[in-house]
Amino acid sequence: DVKVTQSSRYLVKRTGEKVFLECVQDMDHENMFWYRQDPGLGLRLIYFSYDVKMKEKGDIPEGYSVSREKKERFSLILESASTNQTSMYLCASSLWGTGANNEQFFGPGTRLTVL
Amino acid sequence: AQKVTQAQTEISVVEKEDVTLDCVYETRDTTYYLFWYKQPPSGELVFLIRRNSFDEQNEISGRYSWNFQKSTSSFNFTITASQVVDSAVYFCALSLGGNQFYFGTGTSLTVIP
Repeated sequence: DVKVTQSSRYLVKRTGEKVFLECVQDMDHENMFWYRQDPGLGLRLIYFSYDVKMKEKGDIPEGYSVSREKKERFSLILESASTNQTSMYLCASSLWGTGANNEQFFGPGTRLTVL
Repeated sequence: AQKVTQAQTEISVVEKEDVTLDCVYETRDTTYYLFWYKQPPSGELVFLIRRNSFDEQNEISGRYSWNFQKSTSSFNFTITASQVVDSAVYFCALSLGGNQFYFGTGTSLTVIP
């Protein structure tokens, strides 16, 4: 079974702190994604990566950065956390490329609260 | 531009009732893929189905069925004889076959025992 794990289920941080959210997948997927989920807004893509050290901005990259040093690991970084970044963060992975094999597999999510 | 609309924000049904979740999509591409995901209270999105734009055949899997109609740009999901375990948020998504998905805002389904 594909497994995507996230380092924390719940996280509480203070405004201005640097926050790292870690995601690991065990299926050798090329693509990895970070989304945030907010009520009424669905899932919005923050960043995605299609290869090690490669990244692309999604719809809402402001205030976030990412790192992908190894194929299985994709980190989301909040350089200086703000209260409007309180949200559920979901990581996903998929095989690269076109066609029907691009189903995304999701981790359990990290609920981040910034005080 | 691509867009997925799930107009139903919240639905409540009594156990054993049938329920249909609506999904309307927009794209100018002729090749695309549609997905449904279930997000139970535990939080992890679970893949339910994938459909490509060239296959309009409806699909049934146990109590779940999907109706894909290109003429109305809809990909609706029906749960027959709903159960409490069906309570979840359901997301419809569109992909053009590349790496990016376009998700709807989700429909929260509550099945009342």
